[in-house]
Amino acid sequence: DAKTTQPPSMDCAEGRAANLPCNHSTISGNEYVYWYRQIHSQGPQYIIHGLKNNETNEMASLIITEDRKSSTLILPHATLRDTAVYYCIVRGDSWGKLQFGAGTQVVVTP
Amino acid sequence: KAGVTQTPRYLIKTRGQQVTLSCSPISGHRSVSWYQQTPGQGLQFLFEYFSETQRNKGNFPGRFSGRQFSNSRSEMNVSTLELGDSALYLCASSLRTLTDTQYFGPGTRLTVL
Repeated sequence: DAKTTQPPSMDCAEGRAANLPCNHSTISGNEYVYWYRQIHSQGPQYIIHGLKNNETNEMASLIITEDRKSSTLILPHATLRDTAVYYCIVRGDSWGKLQFGAGTQVVVTP
Repeated sequence: KAGVTQTPRYLIKTRGQQVTLSCSPISGHRSVSWYQQTPGQGLQFLFEYFSETQRNKGNFPGRFSGRQFSNSRSEMNVSTLELGDSALYLCASSLRTLTDTQYFGPGTRLTVL
């Protein structure tokens, strides 16, 4: 599975959009981009995933560049409850195995 | 639908003991994966079971083992506990196929004294 690179931390003001970048320059054609988040000492929570097209659900939007080498997770209106570590994962043909990096610590401030 | 459940939520053991953790996947999910999370190593994959068979395995010693039952519930066992086994153990379930989304349980916090 391809490796991902994320900034270690970022701050966001409550009510503003949070844009979380992820670099996955070695991604291959059949690999999906997944985003999870983890609030302290809880299990990771699934947010969204995509292959080529941009995706949106009730939690967030995922923008994948045309060359698929990077993506951005957008939390449209950040709240204090969005404070968490966000993980970008590229998943291919490894059954059941997700490879987590260090993630991005997002702190939403009032 | 109920989410992934894990029992117990907290556990304290002493070195040399063994421990068994349990995971009940989301109804209808047949794949169960286990992960270990520590502050130093982050989230690391342990193993994955599908239809009672181990389908994938991470780089952990043989003291870590698991199994899956016919109802898809899974258990993992750690024998001869070491201080370094103190961690949050997470279980994740998914439907069946390679790219199905994994949904995580709340985890079991194991402390080894």
